[in-house]
Amino acid sequence: GAVVSQHPSRVICKSGTSVKIECRSLDFQATTMFWYRQFPKQSLMLMATSNEGSKATYEQGVEKDKFLINHASLTLSTLTVTSAHPEDSSFYICSARPRNHYEQYFGPGTRLTVT
Amino acid sequence: AQSVTQLDSQVPVFEEAPVELRCNYSSSVSVYLFWYVQYPNQGLQLLLKYLSGSTLVKGINGFEAEFNKSQTSFHLRKPSVHISDTAEYFCAVSAINNDMRFGAGTRLTVKP
Repeated sequence: GAVVSQHPSRVICKSGTSVKIECRSLDFQATTMFWYRQFPKQSLMLMATSNEGSKATYEQGVEKDKFLINHASLTLSTLTVTSAHPEDSSFYICSARPRNHYEQYFGPGTRLTVT
Repeated sequence: AQSVTQLDSQVPVFEEAPVELRCNYSSSVSVYLFWYVQYPNQGLQLLLKYLSGSTLVKGINGFEAEFNKSQTSFHLRKPSVHISDTAEYFCAVSAINNDMRFGAGTRLTVKP
């Protein structure tokens, strides 16, 4: 149980375009979802927290107009990188947590490369 | 808010030797502690977690960790490592209904 999927696993896009990454909880309802970014040889940095039906809460330094997060249902959250630039190239990982739960369940990650 | 410090950025060790990866945490409330492993270009895999109860926690792949409240530590250990244990290891802390915070990671390299 507690499986989280991400799609796509890898994406290459051109500078200036937008790309959407999906995060789904497959066998549980995720009242809270988290989006992390990981640069090579670095740790995971929390970008934003989203609760179903509410606006996402962004960490300091993360541009909310650039990284659009939608948590429209209890099983799906999306991250849209708008007007992507090469510096946005990174590994994006989502996680999901059921209500009043202590543990997050992580997706396998999405490798974004902006050329 | 919670925070985590992993005391070693890199740990080289020979195959079949014991290893300890160190993790200290800071929090004003009760926390839950986790160790994850990440292989290249992959997501996180949960090794073990401490929620409550026994301070010695056993996980997958022969790893174990001990929660020490007085020293605010949660060190990861394995008595005998394999080449396949070479990976990045992350310590993480969370409180209920709070987000999870990760340490900077420790690169474990097992040499033949």
